[in-house]
Amino acid sequence: EAQVTQNPRYLITVTGKKLTVTCSQNMNHEYMSWYRQDPGLGLRQIYYSMNVEVTDKGDVPEGYKVSRKEKRNFPLILESPSPNQTSLYFCASSPRGYNEQFFGPGTRLTVL
Amino acid sequence: AQRVTQPEKLLSVFKGAPVELKCNYSYSGSPELFWYVQYSRQRLQLLLRHISRESIKGFTADLNKGETSFHLKKPFAQEEDSAMYYCALRDGGTDKLIFGTGTRLQVFP
Repeated sequence: EAQVTQNPRYLITVTGKKLTVTCSQNMNHEYMSWYRQDPGLGLRQIYYSMNVEVTDKGDVPEGYKVSRKEKRNFPLILESPSPNQTSLYFCASSPRGYNEQFFGPGTRLTVL
Repeated sequence: AQRVTQPEKLLSVFKGAPVELKCNYSYSGSPELFWYVQYSRQRLQLLLRHISRESIKGFTADLNKGETSFHLKKPFAQEEDSAMYYCALRDGGTDKLIFGTGTRLQVFP
């Protein structure tokens, strides 16, 4: 089944403890992106990647890192999480130049 | 600046009533606009794209370049339409999607 998967789906952690949220797609898409969803703010882009080894900042990149070593994977790294990073995170992918993005199921992160 | 505005956070209607979810955009080039929907506890999924001029689940949306709007309409709302709706604008140069803040539609029986 063609899909975008994220792990973990739920995570509770403490301030400063490094964590990684994985994102994987099996559709051979070039473009991948991370968003955070917050009440009243909608979805805001954190980072995106237009292909392997090509990443760029979105609108809210502070406190996050990403890597794109393989086409299918686009992990989101929080080196030192803080409570203001408590949010619902979505990964998405699409073929380059294609107008529909396919979203993962979301990861709910709580930083205490 | 590229921007998508959804002025209503919440829209509540009764089943069978018409629905219009408003979306206005700001974009310097030729816009590509979409409506995404998120049902409770589910992932975002594409509902409509303006270039397709299609009707999905009874919803339609027309791009009005003069008013820079892309409102989502349905003549008769159903309870299963209750969801979060996001209007989005695609930046053709980067494939970036710029989302509005979303409108929660509640359809009461």
